[in-house]
Amino acid sequence: EVQLVESGGGLVQPGGSLRLSCVASGYTFSSYWMNWVRQAPGKGLEWVASIKQDGSEKKYVDPVKGRFTISRDNAKNSMYLQMNSLRAEDTALYYCARALSGGASYWGHGTLVIVSS
Amino acid sequence: QSVLTQPPSVSGTPGQRVTISCSGGSSNIGSNPVNWFQQLPGTAPKLLVYTNNQRPSGVPDRFSGSKSGTSASLAISGLQSEDEADYYCATWDGGLNAYVFGTGTEVTVL
Repeated sequence: EVQLVESGGGLVQPGGSLRLSCVASGYTFSSYWMNWVRQAPGKGLEWVASIKQDGSEKKYVDPVKGRFTISRDNAKNSMYLQMNSLRAEDTALYYCARALSGGASYWGHGTLVIVSS
Repeated sequence: QSVLTQPPSVSGTPGQRVTISCSGGSSNIGSNPVNWFQQLPGTAPKLLVYTNNQRPSGVPDRFSGSKSGTSASLAISGLQSEDEADYYCATWDGGLNAYVFGTGTEVTVL
């Protein structure tokens, strides 16, 4: 059974940093693009970042470029999102998702990030 | 503000057929396949339709997707109470170099 478990969320002050983690199980982690998608309270879905199977290609939505860094460790079946210079508008539930395109998409339950003083 | 526009809400009675539209442009729907995601209340999104009209295993054939030009749609036939959820279209946008989600549609079963 495919499982994606996010962790690392919490309350942080504006300008602070957080590192989110996503641990995958139940499939060959290194075979898929991985993604972070967020959902602000009561709002829709917003793609945040994606990383290729071997980590050689990374993509980001414009509002997080230069502040967030996506990475992965295939030996640990894990993906990460380093978030720096956090802003109030980054407050959201952050989902780890496998393969947003094609038929293999699968999502974790999310980890909540609250940016507030 | 998303580049993919969906109606905020759609409603129907049990057994009825409802459709959700997703309007985009040449850089997104016009040139890339569309996925649809279902988000039941309080849960994570789940893939419902991929590559315009394909269903993952386990998704009932009551759900069907289509695409024409720069628009896509999701149809739910034989509407059931458990279909009450938010639905999102999504695709890659080559102009923005970003994956984009639709604005989302809340389906209510009356």
